Amino acid sequence: GDSVTQMEGPVTLSEEAFLTINCTYTATGYPSLFWYVQYPGEGLQLLLKATKADDKGSNKGFEATYRKETTSFHLEKGSVQVSDSAVYFCALSEGQAGTALIFGKGTTLSVSS
Amino acid sequence: NAGVTQTPKFQVLKTGQSMTLQCAQDMNHEYMSWYRQDPGMGLRLIHYSVGAGITDQGEVPNGYNVSRSTTEDFPLRLLSAAPSQTSVYFCASRGLGGAANYGYTFGSGTRLTVV
Repeated sequence: GDSVTQMEGPVTLSEEAFLTINCTYTATGYPSLFWYVQYPGEGLQLLLKATKADDKGSNKGFEATYRKETTSFHLEKGSVQVSDSAVYFCALSEGQAGTALIFGKGTTLSVSS
Repeated sequence: NAGVTQTPKFQVLKTGQSMTLQCAQDMNHEYMSWYRQDPGMGLRLIHYSVGAGITDQGEVPNGYNVSRSTTEDFPLRLLSAAPSQTSVYFCASRGLGGAANYGYTFGSGTRLTVV
């Protein structure tokens, strides 16, 4: 079945450092891809999404490009802030009318000043 | 404020007890779902519903029951709680068109401990 694999954490960075969180997926069709963020004690919030190959999703300085040839959707940010400390989840939806999100295990990011 | 409301936020149960986790949304979303979040496991789908009167099982449905009598509410019932059901539970909803067009909205979660 479809699955998502993302890099294990925790990831510890200093403020203004460059961030990459790797995400690869396995899917039989043409999934939509998402990054969700979970701040401490809160639910998940959609960070960005991409619905077809070569699409780039972006939000709050974060970016991710849907790479069909490498089945990847890596999350990047050029300069992280302390406020970016959270758990990041990569997810896919099985097709346009997918009924569920399939999540990776999550990557904890900790940014220090 | 529009969104997904989950109650209670915290709950401690004894093994064998039953309880209902409540989920309500005011966005007229057709699709609602329940996930559980466990350390190192990500989120796993328990049950979902594509509309009132329609429910289906997800990846980990055993020990849980759901029903959908209204568009707004989607309660999750634990029939006989077990320690393995200790987890954080999230309810999520979205409108028609698939996840690609309508992002899921998540509740803030219910932290359940079964002793």
